[in-house]
Order: sequence, then C-alpha cells, then structure tokens
Amino acid sequence: GEDVEQSLFLSVREGDSSVINCTYTDSSSTYLYWYKQEPGAGLQLLTYIFSNMDMKQDQRLTVLLNKKDKHLSLRIADTQTGDSAIYFCAEAGRRALTFGSGTRLQVQP
Amino acid sequence: DAMVIQNPRYQVTQFGKPVTLSCSQTLNHNVMYWYQQKSSQAPKLLFHYYDKDFNNEADTPDNFQSRRPNTSFCFLDIRSPGLGDAAMYLCATSRGVDRGTETQYFGPGTRLLVL
Repeated sequence: GEDVEQSLFLSVREGDSSVINCTYTDSSSTYLYWYKQEPGAGLQLLTYIFSNMDMKQDQRLTVLLNKKDKHLSLRIADTQTGDSAIYFCAEAGRRALTFGSGTRLQVQP
Repeated sequence: DAMVIQNPRYQVTQFGKPVTLSCSQTLNHNVMYWYQQKSSQAPKLLFHYYDKDFNNEADTPDNFQSRRPNTSFCFLDIRSPGLGDAAMYLCATSRGVDRGTETQYFGPGTRLLVL
C-alpha cells in the first residue's frame, strides 16, 4: 500500500542546518516532492526530485534520495526564521499524490 | 502573479446550508484537484478532473460534489455542510497525470467554518 511517514516536529536555531526526513513505500513513485505550508496558507512547491536521481541542490535546499531504503530528506542550510512552517513530503505513484503528515519546523532566533 | 486562485479565502456557513468554493487557474492545466485538509493533517484528495472527466475518490462523501464548466474554473459544492466539514479546502492543478506532467501547483486555500 501507499504510505508516507515523517517525524512531526523539528526545532533548530537560526543559522543552523535543518534536516527533515521522510520514508515512503511505493517503489513505483516517479517524482518525490517537498511542499512548504505557512500558517493559514496553501502548499508552496519547494522542490522535487525524479526517482532516478539521488541528489538535487537548489540554493539553500538539498534533497537526498535513497531509493533502496525509500528514504527522502530535505536539508535547509542557514535556516532562517522565515523557514518556520510545516513541510510535507509527497510521492507521485500510481495515483495522484500521497502526502506525509507533515513536519513542523520551528526556528529559534 | 497568482496562478491558482481560490475565492473566498475564508467562508462561513451554517450547518446544513449549501456552500460553493471556487478555484480558477491561469496555467491552462488539464487537471484540477480538490483536497480537504483538517488541522495538523495531510491534505486528503477528494476528487479531480482530467479535462471534463470527473474522478471521485472512493471515500469521498456524497455530500461533496464538483463542477468544472471550463478549463479555467472548478467548483466544490458542499450540499449540507456538517460540523465535521470545517477544514481548509485546497485546489491544485497539474498539466497531466503521466510521468513528467503530474507536478501539482496549489492555491492558497479556502478555510471553511461551519456554525
């Protein structure tokens, strides 16, 4: 079955790196996504990685994919207070998107 | 420039009073989706349209209906809202559903309050 899991909460200090982890189960997933949701807002597409890649870097964001272990991570370098939000990973498998439950990132000044 | 637009951002309705939420897009995407998101939970897909073809999720209650009169607009109709339907409703679009076209872009959401 399809299941995407994330830890619920992460707290870091401003300027540190944040690493948000995600595991998924659908081996047929083509793309894996990271979305950011600020309070009261919709989902903002942050980045995505194709399933045949193992790393993608985009400015402060680095996505690592371990396809063998079905593990995805999002690293945010030099985390800022504006990065405080809920981060959802999602997989595009056989049907639509399957979302994780979201990781709330709290950035302490 | 807004690409997926949802109106209103906040909607208050009464228990049992029909309500319609709106979504429009300027991306000319073929697929439009409606999700329900309750507090601290992942978005849950209700249904999607591929062009005019309607695809309902198996566990979407009959109380929820959708209309897509043209490529740009999609509506979510809740026939008899209950207290349990209070949630954020998210609209999303994608070019297609096949590999390479399925990336979804979300609107800002409409928060529905049922009194």
